[in-house]
Amino acid sequence: GAGVSQSPSNKVTEKGKDVELRCDPISGHTALYWYRQSLGQGLEFLIYFQGNSAPDKSGLPSDRFSAERTGGSVSTLTIQRTQQEDSAVYLCASSLGQGADIQYFGAGTRLSVL
Amino acid sequence: GENVEQHPSTLSVQEGDSAVIKCTYSDSASNYFPWYKQELGKGPQLIIDIRSNVGEKKDQRIAVTLNKTAKHFSLHITETQPEDSAVYFCAATLYAGKSTFGDGTTLTVKP
Repeated sequence: GAGVSQSPSNKVTEKGKDVELRCDPISGHTALYWYRQSLGQGLEFLIYFQGNSAPDKSGLPSDRFSAERTGGSVSTLTIQRTQQEDSAVYLCASSLGQGADIQYFGAGTRLSVL
Repeated sequence: GENVEQHPSTLSVQEGDSAVIKCTYSDSASNYFPWYKQELGKGPQLIIDIRSNVGEKKDQRIAVTLNKTAKHFSLHITETQPEDSAVYFCAATLYAGKSTFGDGTTLTVKP
């Protein structure tokens, strides 16, 4: 079946512009995660959605970052007034949401802020 | 919060040799420990996982061991092949939504 889909795969933007990154999770998965991966680094947790519960936003690095998940499915990560340090790969993952379970990752969006 | 340390950061082996990657974690309440493989330009993919009620798990050439007392777990790859070359990440999970990842190990298998 279809896996986690992220778009765009690459995004180049100018400093100060806003960007939106999209994630389509696996159908039926109630949990959705966003991570940031800087060059040569591990995965930095950003935000977690589980069903209709309030999201865990504890990993968002600043108030320029926000995310929403509409209808319990598609999610959008928005970065306002982008800075050069926002350049990274943004990964989305989804899981069945049954406790600590396997996360299935998308291929990521590579964001470059010039 | 949870802290995960992963070693080594890079590992180079000859084809056919074994590779071992180790991770330590700080929170004894962590109960789920997955290992992910990330190839260039792709997202991480689960290769094996272990839960805290099990000490060892094996899947063909890949095995994971867990020592809860010492709070460390290891990935073992035997008979390595060039296609095993990738970045490997460990993670420690407290509960859904609370996974902490290691910084990754770049494995190179030389033919």
